[in-house]
Amino acid sequence: VSMTQSPVTLSVSPGERVTLSCRASESVSYNLAWYQQHPGRAPRLLIYAASTRATGVPARFSGSGSGSEYSLTISNLQSEDFAVYYCQQYNRWPPITFGQGTRLDIK
Amino acid sequence: EVHLGESGGGVIQPGGSLRLSCAASGFSFSDHDMHWVRQATGKSLEWVAVIGSTGNTFFADSVKGRFTVSRDNGDNTLYLQMNNLRPEDTALYFCVRGPAAGLNLGDLFLDSWGQGTLVTVSS
Repeated sequence: VSMTQSPVTLSVSPGERVTLSCRASESVSYNLAWYQQHPGRAPRLLIYAASTRATGVPARFSGSGSGSEYSLTISNLQSEDFAVYYCQQYNRWPPITFGQGTRLDIK
Repeated sequence: EVHLGESGGGVIQPGGSLRLSCAASGFSFSDHDMHWVRQATGKSLEWVAVIGSTGNTFFADSVKGRFTVSRDNGDNTLYLQMNNLRPEDTALYFCVRGPAAGLNLGDLFLDSWGQGTLVTVSS
C-alpha cells in the first residue's frame, strides 16, 4: 500500500492550527498511525487507529479520516511541534508502509 | 519506563554480515511484537521486519532471504542478523516495540522506539 503525504513542507507560525494530509493507494480501514520526528531523534507515536492519541500526547493533536484519506491536525502550534510527521498504514501487511513525511517549519 | 538500546552497527563491506542487538527493559518483553525499522539519511522510514510474541516473523521484500530476526525472551534481547549486505542497506536501524499481541490483533503500529544504530555498507 503506497502512502502519499501532502504537503511536503509547511511553514506556519506558533499558535496557528495546521492540517497534514495522508492518502493511501487503497482503503486502510482506520489502520493508520501518525509519528513525529525531530532532527537526530527517534520517531514518536502520536496517533493510532486513525484517531486515538497515544499515551502522553497532548490534546492539541487530533487525527481523523476514513477509507484512504486521513489527516493530522495540530492546534495552537507550540515550538516543540516543529518537526517531520509521518503517516503509516498497517491494514495490509507485510509490509507496513510509511508516507514520505511532511516537514513542519516555523514561519 | 520503556527502554530500547540498539548496538552492533558499523561499517561493513558489501557482501558482509552484521548482527544488530536490541536490549529491552521496562516492560514485559515476551508479550510484545518487536520490529526493526530503518531510515537512510534524509529519507523516510522503511519497515524491515517483525517478530511476534510467539516467534512468527515477517520481512520486507527488500531484505527477505538475507536478514533474519530472532529474540531471546529470557534475556530481553532482540536481534537482526543481516547477511549479504548491499550499499542500499546503509541506514540507521531502529528497534521498535509494537503492542502486546499486535500481530494477532492486527495492530501493527509502533509505540516505542530506540535511538538507533548506524549501519554503513561501503567498500
